[in-house]
Amino acid sequence: NAGVTQTPKFRILKIGQSMTLQCAQDMNHNYMYWYRQDPGMGLKLIYYSVGAGITDKGEVPNGYNVSRSTTEDFPLRLELAAPSQTSVYFCASRGGREGAEAFFGQGTRLTVV
Amino acid sequence: QQQVKQSPQSLIVQKGGISIINCAYENTAFDYFPWYQQFPGKGPALLIAIRPDVSEKKEGRFTISFNKSAKQFSLHIMDSQPGDSATYFCAALHGSGNTGKLIFGQGTTLQVKP
Repeated sequence: NAGVTQTPKFRILKIGQSMTLQCAQDMNHNYMYWYRQDPGMGLKLIYYSVGAGITDKGEVPNGYNVSRSTTEDFPLRLELAAPSQTSVYFCASRGGREGAEAFFGQGTRLTVV
Repeated sequence: QQQVKQSPQSLIVQKGGISIINCAYENTAFDYFPWYQQFPGKGPALLIAIRPDVSEKKEGRFTISFNKSAKQFSLHIMDSQPGDSATYFCAALHGSGNTGKLIFGQGTTLQVKP
């Protein structure tokens, strides 16, 4: 099993450009999450989804959009990249049973210049 | 507003010593409290977790202590080893009612000196 796969691993964007971070899981998990990790700030929840067609805002949703058209995929869209979005982005998925473990991808390191 | 507050930000412990990381939460709707371990260049991975109806859970050298009335929980690493050097995150899950919101603390970078 591949688990949670994120692409790309690295990306440099210019201010104002747009891009989509891809996330796919093959564990048939209901729950999927996007986090950003900044030094000393921990993991901040951007958006999450409890199933296909259902998404909700996390702690820091501004500047991002998501969609969940299938159980497997949960892409994160940056419309107008800003230097403040320079970060490492992690996608995670979790099964529906109570207390299920969240599995993380390897991360995408994004730099906006 | 930080829903899960973690301290300290960094910690240095001698090999064989005890590492202690503390977390506090605000929302009483949280009903599951996992700890994750992250090595450089990797995604976090589940280490140990506890439910609020249990005051302590132990798995090998790792123990979670949970104080529901104080809304605090902590991770104790006994006999700390250099291989334990990593970043540790506490987290809180609002799992009931299918909300599924999983919030993390700020992280603690642990260095275990040989």
